[in-house]
Amino acid sequence: AQKVTQAQTEISVVEKEDVTLDCVYETRDTTYYLFWYKQPPSGELVFLIRRNSFDEQNEISGRYSWNFQKSTSSFNFTITASQVVDSAVYFCALSYNAGGTSYGKLTFGQGTILTVHP
Amino acid sequence: AAGVIQSPRHLIKEKRETATLKCYPIPRHDTVYWYQQGPGQDPQFLISFYEKMQSDKGSIPDRFSAQQFSDYHSELNMSSLELGDSALYFCASSLSQDRGEDLQYFGPGTRLTVT
Repeated sequence: AQKVTQAQTEISVVEKEDVTLDCVYETRDTTYYLFWYKQPPSGELVFLIRRNSFDEQNEISGRYSWNFQKSTSSFNFTITASQVVDSAVYFCALSYNAGGTSYGKLTFGQGTILTVHP
Repeated sequence: AAGVIQSPRHLIKEKRETATLKCYPIPRHDTVYWYQQGPGQDPQFLISFYEKMQSDKGSIPDRFSAQQFSDYHSELNMSSLELGDSALYFCASSLSQDRGEDLQYFGPGTRLTVT
């Protein structure tokens, strides 16, 4: 069975601090995708990144960076120089091919509520 | 670029009533997924369709049914509504893996409130 754990329920930081959101996953599949989504107070799910299980390269996009380590089954997300607009719930998710035609079914973690204070 | 459209965006129903949520996938997408997100919860997979056939099923109550139509839009029908059905319902669409990128795109969600 697939499982995603985000151990941090809530994180509170002051603007310009760096913050890392942890994500640990469990799967028996060798091929899978990992995701991060942002959910602002308005409720929509904003796609941030998708990572293939065969690609362990870290990625940086502006103030966002992701560290994928298969050896520890972790896919952590760091926001550098946080801003008030980063305040949201962040979800880590895992998808896999259950024998169907796509990897689209997602298993989400419980989410981390990030609050950035001015 | 066209996105996933969900209607209505907000819906208020009373207990024991019926509700129908609609999802219009991105053009050319052949796969649709439904998720339910209760207050303070993570989204939970309900059901998916590929080429108008049910492709996978999650924790969807028997009171709920769904289908995908010939134009690929999907509807989630919910009967005998309960207070616990109050949630944000997301639809997502993707192109199946053998036809393209397979990344799924989420709609804005329908917020259902049962009173």
